[in-house]
Amino acid sequence: GDSVTQMEGPVTLSEEAFLTINCTYTATGYPSLFWYVQYPGEGLQLLLKATKADDKGSNKGFEATYRKETTSFHLEKGSVQVSDSAVYFCAQGGAGSYQLTFGKGTKLSVIP
Amino acid sequence: EAQVTQNPRYLITVTGKKLTVTCSQNMNHEYMSWYRQDPGLGLRQIYYSMNVEVTDKGDVPEGYKVSRKEKRNFPLILESPSPNQTSLYFCASSPLGQGSYEQYFGPGTRLTVT
Repeated sequence: GDSVTQMEGPVTLSEEAFLTINCTYTATGYPSLFWYVQYPGEGLQLLLKATKADDKGSNKGFEATYRKETTSFHLEKGSVQVSDSAVYFCAQGGAGSYQLTFGKGTKLSVIP
Repeated sequence: EAQVTQNPRYLITVTGKKLTVTCSQNMNHEYMSWYRQDPGLGLRQIYYSMNVEVTDKGDVPEGYKVSRKEKRNFPLILESPSPNQTSLYFCASSPLGQGSYEQYFGPGTRLTVT
């Protein structure tokens, strides 16, 4: 079945460091891909999305590119801030189904 | 403000005592869903609904019931809760037919069953 694999955390970075969180997916068809963020004590918020191959989603300095050839959707940010500390979830959906399949989440801690 | 609301936000109960967690959305979304979040397992779907009176099982439906009598509401029912249902629960909704499959999440309900 469909699945999403993302790098395990926790990840600890210093402020202004470069962030990459890897995400790969397996799916039949051409899913939509998402990154959701969960700040402490809150629900999930959509961070960015891409709906077709080579699309780049971006928001709040975060970016991810839908790579069909490598079935990947890696999350990147050039300079992280303490306020980016959260759990990040990669997810796939669509391709005929409204069910979202989530990765296990990656906890990011950014220290001053 | 467009939102998904859940109540209660926190609940501590005992084994076997029936409970209901409510979920409501004000965005006129057709699709609604319940997830549970457990450490190391991510989010897993419990049940979903494509529209009023249409519900279906997700990946982990055992021990749960749902109903969809109105478009805006999608309550989650635990008829006889057990300790293994201690978890963080999220309700989500999505509009059908817009092609993006994006879901909007509620703030979560932390349930503890002793």
